[in-house]
Amino acid sequence: EIVMTQSPATLSVSPGQRASLSCKASQSVSGNLAWYQQKPGQPPRLLIYGASTRAPAIPARFSGSGSGTEFTLTISSLQSEDFAVYFCQQYVDWPRTFGQGTKVELK
Amino acid sequence: EVQLVESGGTVVQPGGSLRLSCVASGFAFEHHTMHWLRQAPGKGLEWISLITWNGDADTTHYADSVTGRFTISRDNSKNSLYLHMHSLRIEDTAFYYCAKDFTVYSIGGYFDSWGQGSLVTVSS
Repeated sequence: EIVMTQSPATLSVSPGQRASLSCKASQSVSGNLAWYQQKPGQPPRLLIYGASTRAPAIPARFSGSGSGTEFTLTISSLQSEDFAVYFCQQYVDWPRTFGQGTKVELK
Repeated sequence: EVQLVESGGTVVQPGGSLRLSCVASGFAFEHHTMHWLRQAPGKGLEWISLITWNGDADTTHYADSVTGRFTISRDNSKNSLYLHMHSLRIEDTAFYYCAKDFTVYSIGGYFDSWGQGSLVTVSS
């Protein structure tokens, strides 16, 4: 199966700052990469699919980039509601697999 | 508004069985592949099963971790998705989520709507 590796495990950021989260795949997934946000006690929420397309109603401060094996989720200016755990997921092969998550916390 | 509501989670002994249900509303259920995923408390996400929109027996897939023990099914007349779980193990303890596939009449394999989750605890 394709192994997804996210870094860093925890990212400490101040409100208003930019955050960049990394996701690497053990083999090429082309552009078949999604990002999710999960807050405590809630299910994940789809942010990005196709590596760079925002899901409906997702604010423009969230952007995705990359292809092949290396991807980045960027939050341009962190808002208080953005502190959460973020997961990447590949959907080119079965089983669909997720990274272990990056926790974005208040600095 | 899309809603997915899971039920059926409880405490069960190792080796036991359980059926989870998910009732969908707010979208054309019969047009979408549906999935079950799980998340052990404080851990990451694991996709475990899908069933395509028409629910044919040959259009289901499972993760290796549950193959032969779990069976996914659906009833489009009731907008309902099910997960039949057998031979449960301690490592099956998790929140179980039903999720809607983003695409229509295909298997996109990424998930634009999730239920709130149903907790299954396998313990003696």
